[in-house]
Amino acid sequence: DGGITQSPKYLFRKEGQNVTLSCEQNLNHDAMYWYRQDPGQGLRLIYYSQIVNDFQKGDIAEGYSVSREKKESFPLTVTSAQKNPTAFYLCASSIDRGAMGPQHFGDGTRLSIL
Amino acid sequence: AQTVTQSQPEMSVQEAETVTLSCTYDTSESNYYLFWYKQPPSRQMILVIRQEAYKQQNATENRFSVNFQKAAKSFSLKISDSQLGDTAMYFCAFILTSGTYKYIFGTGTRLKVLA
Repeated sequence: DGGITQSPKYLFRKEGQNVTLSCEQNLNHDAMYWYRQDPGQGLRLIYYSQIVNDFQKGDIAEGYSVSREKKESFPLTVTSAQKNPTAFYLCASSIDRGAMGPQHFGDGTRLSIL
Repeated sequence: AQTVTQSQPEMSVQEAETVTLSCTYDTSESNYYLFWYKQPPSRQMILVIRQEAYKQQNATENRFSVNFQKAAKSFSLKISDSQLGDTAMYFCAFILTSGTYKYIFGTGTRLKVLA
């Protein structure tokens, strides 16, 4: 079955450390997205990519970085510059450049500070 | 700027009853898609229903239906015959069919179905 795989499910970060969240999809979708969700809140867009080797900042990109070297992969790095990284992170993809289809989501990664 | 507003942070409904979740949005564009997503306690985001703005007919998916009022920029979700498994956060979202490919999400409504 096609889908989106996020790993790890739980991740802990030490002060000053960069951590990378993995997102892989086998849906052959062009567009991929990273969202942050804080308790009781909605989704805030961190970065999105419409095509390989191209990505755009979302609403809260500071302290995060991404790459899109392959169509199926869109890893997110939470850098030490992100002072409040504790949150639930969701990766999503959608079918084409027009993004007229619904988004498909992974199961999420919960990031906590040690 | 486009925005989505869900004015009901929390709602509850008795099992087998009907409940309506409200959503309003703001955009100056005329072509867009609207979605309702469900996020149960497992945190998996699941598409519930989708509506194309150019279609006048309201979308339905089994027990889920929408009331799409384009002039009023309203997109409410009706859940009929509520089931315990409908307990979840519900998010309204939309995306323009041209320009930026960002989805705009509301802040969500937490629905609890009571036995």
